[in-house]
Amino acid sequence: GAVVSQHPSRVICKSGTSVKIECRSLDFQATTMFWYRQFPKQSLMLMATSNEGSKATYEQGVEKDKFLINHASLTLSTLTVTSAHPEDSSFYICSAILEGGQGTQYFGPGTRLLVL
Amino acid sequence: AQKITQTQPGMFVQEKEAVTLDCTYDTSDPSYGLFWYKQPSSGEMIFLIYQGSYDQQNATEGRYSLNFQKARKSANLVISASQLGDSAMYFCALNSGAGSYQLTFGKGTKLSVIP
Repeated sequence: GAVVSQHPSRVICKSGTSVKIECRSLDFQATTMFWYRQFPKQSLMLMATSNEGSKATYEQGVEKDKFLINHASLTLSTLTVTSAHPEDSSFYICSAILEGGQGTQYFGPGTRLLVL
Repeated sequence: AQKITQTQPGMFVQEKEAVTLDCTYDTSDPSYGLFWYKQPSSGEMIFLIYQGSYDQQNATEGRYSLNFQKARKSANLVISASQLGDSAMYFCALNSGAGSYQLTFGKGTKLSVIP
């Protein structure tokens, strides 16, 4: 149980295009999901908290117009990187909360984004 | 403010031996949870073990156990009988505050298991 999928696993795009990343909880419902960014050899950096049916909460320094988050259902959150630039190249990983109990975050497999 | 400190950037262990990965934390909340995650080179974050601040006993999950010393604010991960597949990054994480699910991560420890 508590499986989270993420799609695509890898994407290469041209500068100026937009990229959508999907995060799905496969066997549980998640009212809360998180989006992280990870640079090589570093820890995870929280970008935003995605709440089903409401606006995402962004961390300080994260541009909400650049990284659009939509959590339209209890099993799906999407992150859209708008007008991507090479500096947006990174590993993006989502997590979903299995609510009740200790509120463990279960992570998707991540998406490697390369912007040329 | 919450903080997680992992002081070992890298660790080596011989296959079949036990290894301890250090984690200290800081929080002013009386109720909190401590998590350990494994991140292999593929990038996925795998949940390993959880310890609640009010848990009386140290958590165990198979070959993983958590040496929880509340007074010292430490939550070290012990991996017994190391296997080659244990080679990965290991992250300690903390959530605290009523109703908060956000995690504060440490910088991680890279574990290498030597055959």
